[in-house]
Amino acid sequence: QSALTQPASVSGSPGQSITISCTGTSSDIGAYNYVSWYQQHPAKAPKLIISEVTNRPSGISNRFSGSKSGNTASLTISGLQAEDEADYYCSSYTSSNTLEVFGTGTRVTVL
Amino acid sequence: QVQLQESGPGLVKPSQTLSLTCTVSGGSISSSGYYWSWIRQHPGKGLEWIGYIYFSGTAYYNPSLKSRVIISLDTSQNQFSLKLSSVTAADTAVYYCARGTGYSNYDYWGQGTLVTVSS
Repeated sequence: QSALTQPASVSGSPGQSITISCTGTSSDIGAYNYVSWYQQHPAKAPKLIISEVTNRPSGISNRFSGSKSGNTASLTISGLQAEDEADYYCSSYTSSNTLEVFGTGTRVTVL
Repeated sequence: QVQLQESGPGLVKPSQTLSLTCTVSGGSISSSGYYWSWIRQHPGKGLEWIGYIYFSGTAYYNPSLKSRVIISLDTSQNQFSLKLSSVTAADTAVYYCARGTGYSNYDYWGQGTLVTVSS
């Protein structure tokens, strides 16, 4: 099971919206609504920001939103802020014997 | 508030066994519905799922590591553990423990611990 594919980097200016894609297959993203997104600041543990494609855990800003179409999931950050500069990872359940697969990661830069 | 904390040696010799423990506070590892998980991150790289153990004691592992991994629960200490045998330099990574509440859904994480494999 290969990692889910994400763009290596995405950038935007403060206040703008950006979207990060996460492409998988019909065995993972395409088959299940078990897609999560994590934010990781340098030298910190990942933090869950989206679960089950669209759900925001308590305390997560509504500037973060998730969606899915076919084998691709997306994370949109609206009203980009300096504190959003971090690495972002998607993950999905998979019917392969790997069970869980993470994305390659995307570095978000706020210009 | 649930908290997780990894502990164990930061340096392991090649061919030896890496052993880490995750101590859970603010909640019981015996509570139903949770997956107690280990995830690692090679330096400067992405996340890799190692495996998890369900509250019932049933464990699931990444097939790429399955022959070398054991995850176990110690309910008396409210801890769960990772053992990875026959380590090589390729196992050098930051190891995180995390609580899963559903598939691919990890809501609480430990701070992570760097384990270096070197003689």
